[in-house]
Amino acid sequence: QKEVEQNSGPLSVPEGAIASLNCTYSDRVSQSFFWYRQYSGKSPELIMSIYSNGDKEDGRFTAQLNKASQYVSLLIRDSQPSDSATYLCAARRGASGGSYIPTFGRGTSLIVHP
Amino acid sequence: NAGVMQNPRHLVRRRGQEARLRCSPMKGHSHVYWYRQLPEEGLKFMVYLQKENIIDESGMPKERFSAEFPKEGPSILRIQQVVRGDSAAYFCASSVGQTSYEQYFGPGTRLTVT
Repeated sequence: QKEVEQNSGPLSVPEGAIASLNCTYSDRVSQSFFWYRQYSGKSPELIMSIYSNGDKEDGRFTAQLNKASQYVSLLIRDSQPSDSATYLCAARRGASGGSYIPTFGRGTSLIVHP
Repeated sequence: NAGVMQNPRHLVRRRGQEARLRCSPMKGHSHVYWYRQLPEEGLKFMVYLQKENIIDESGMPKERFSAEFPKEGPSILRIQQVVRGDSAAYFCASSVGQTSYEQYFGPGTRLTVT
């Protein structure tokens, strides 16, 4: 069974700090990984995708992938109160894996306090 | 705005009635995914459709639920004889194609069954 695990939090960080969000996945065949941000009462918004081992940076966001450890993380630098949201991690098999449906974690609640 | 569109945004139905949820994918996208999210729970995949084809309905309950994506018009998720347990947020996502990794979500339909 494919599972994506995230600590539900809340993770509380002061404004300006680095927020580190972690995710592990059980399906070794997973090839693609995504981070979504979901504000309360709103829909998920794609913020990062990563497909290769290593780091991928986009503005204040850095996604890190370690396929050997089956671990994905999201770092948010210079955290702002507007970053307060639930962050969903998702993993998906590639074409060779026979499924195009991502599996989502339950999300980590992030609170950035002034 | 060429984003994913869903309507209605809020839907109230009495037990036993039918609910019809509509989703128009992003411009240029021909693949649609439906998810359900219960309060404090993760996103649960329901069904994946292309125009005139159901690709994967492994997450959809066998009874009362159906989905379609006709050649013309939006994708429709239909719930017959709704029960209180159907109350949830229903999100639609779209992607360019089967091997395109990234899914973009619509604003969702909040279904309340009274």
